Amino acid sequence: KAGVTQTPRYLIKTRGQQVTLSCSPISGHRSVSWYQQTPGQGLQFLFEYFSETQRNKGNFPGRFSGRQFSNSRSEMNVSTLELGDSALYLCASSWTDRLNTEAFFGQGTRLTVV
Amino acid sequence: AQSVAQPEDQVNVAEGNPLTVKCTYSVSGNPYLFWYVQYPNRGLQFLLKYITGDNLVKGSYGFEAEFNKSQTSFHLKKPSALVSDSALYFCAVRVPFSGGYNKLIFGAGTRLAVHP
Repeated sequence: KAGVTQTPRYLIKTRGQQVTLSCSPISGHRSVSWYQQTPGQGLQFLFEYFSETQRNKGNFPGRFSGRQFSNSRSEMNVSTLELGDSALYLCASSWTDRLNTEAFFGQGTRLTVV
Repeated sequence: AQSVAQPEDQVNVAEGNPLTVKCTYSVSGNPYLFWYVQYPNRGLQFLLKYITGDNLVKGSYGFEAEFNKSQTSFHLKKPSALVSDSALYFCAVRVPFSGGYNKLIFGAGTRLAVHP
């Protein structure tokens, strides 16, 4: 069974631009979560989608948004990029949304804003 | 506030020696605890989880973790470290969030360095 796939792996953007990241979850998984990883802040929760509905959102500005499609694939969009948005963005999928369920992560998209 | 703490930024171990990576948690209700490992420029790989039952949980690559309710700890262990175990390790807890849903909260991570 294929793992979580994130594309692209690397991105370089300039300030003010927008970017869209893609995540294909493990087949059969309906929950997709996004995390931002930076050296200073560690792993921070962005948002979670389940069956095309955003369930939760972390403490990030409205420039960060996402969506989930009927096939469970998810996209994350960041508008008006800032230098501080440079990070590794990780997507994780789970087959349920229960507390006892582990999440499986993709390899991430490394975003560099210059 | 619900949280996870990894008190050590780095752990150094000689190959062949046992290793321990520490994790403590603070949650209301039952804890659902996880360990993940991250290799350079890669995503997180699931190692093991504690839900309920036996306090010693066995996971991937020979790792195990010991749950201690009284000390609110969930330390990751391995009897004999390998150089290839060198990586960044994250402890996490899944906690209820708004709207009746839940999210994973991660510790800051511990870098494990295994020396030949």
